[in-house]
Amino acid sequence: EAEVAQSPRYKITEKSQAVAFWCDPISGHATLYWYRQILGQGPELLVQFQDESVVDDSQLPKDRFSAERLKGVDSTLKIQPAELGDSAMYLCASSFLQGDGYTFGSGTRLTVV
Amino acid sequence: GESVGLHLPTLSVQEGDNSIINCAYSNSASDYFIWYKQESGKGPQFIIDIRSNMDKRQGQRVTVLLNKTVKHLSLQIAATQPGDSAVYFCAECAYGQNFVFGPGTRLSVLP
Repeated sequence: EAEVAQSPRYKITEKSQAVAFWCDPISGHATLYWYRQILGQGPELLVQFQDESVVDDSQLPKDRFSAERLKGVDSTLKIQPAELGDSAMYLCASSFLQGDGYTFGSGTRLTVV
Repeated sequence: GESVGLHLPTLSVQEGDNSIINCAYSNSASDYFIWYKQESGKGPQFIIDIRSNMDKRQGQRVTVLLNKTVKHLSLQIAATQPGDSAVYFCAECAYGQNFVFGPGTRLSVLP
């Protein structure tokens, strides 16, 4: 069964350091999403890509977060500098078309100390 | 102030009983809904979906009910098993836009 791949699974970083997460969506899925999930809450959208273009980044804290999907396939989400409040699960999801149900990856659990 | 997220609603059921998990959605324009199951340390997993032109849809051991009048969605799990223990999220989508997730309900299955 096709899966969304994410790495690393866990990341511990000191505040003010840079951190990056990687996602490889299901082959053929044009739409890719990065969500942040704080413990005990539902996922919240950070950024949405359609192929290599950003469709929605209205909730992305652009002073410290950046995301790219240069070739319209895999994607990287970066935080620089990390803050204590960034500790969360970062989930990547993909879908064939916008409005289709998502397939999620297993996420990256970030702890900022 | 208190963080609502730290007090996730919890439903405890006996193994073998039926479970009903409820969700109040926010957007009257939402026309597509999905229930996701999230086990500890994993990403959400698709369970069942329903579009707004339906009020009921059944899967294997699961049924989703949609009441558009009161903007309410429910997930029924028949013969709940220990493997059903997880956090369940409803997600809503309007006009093919992004899905918005609810706060989640933790289901705990008692032996």
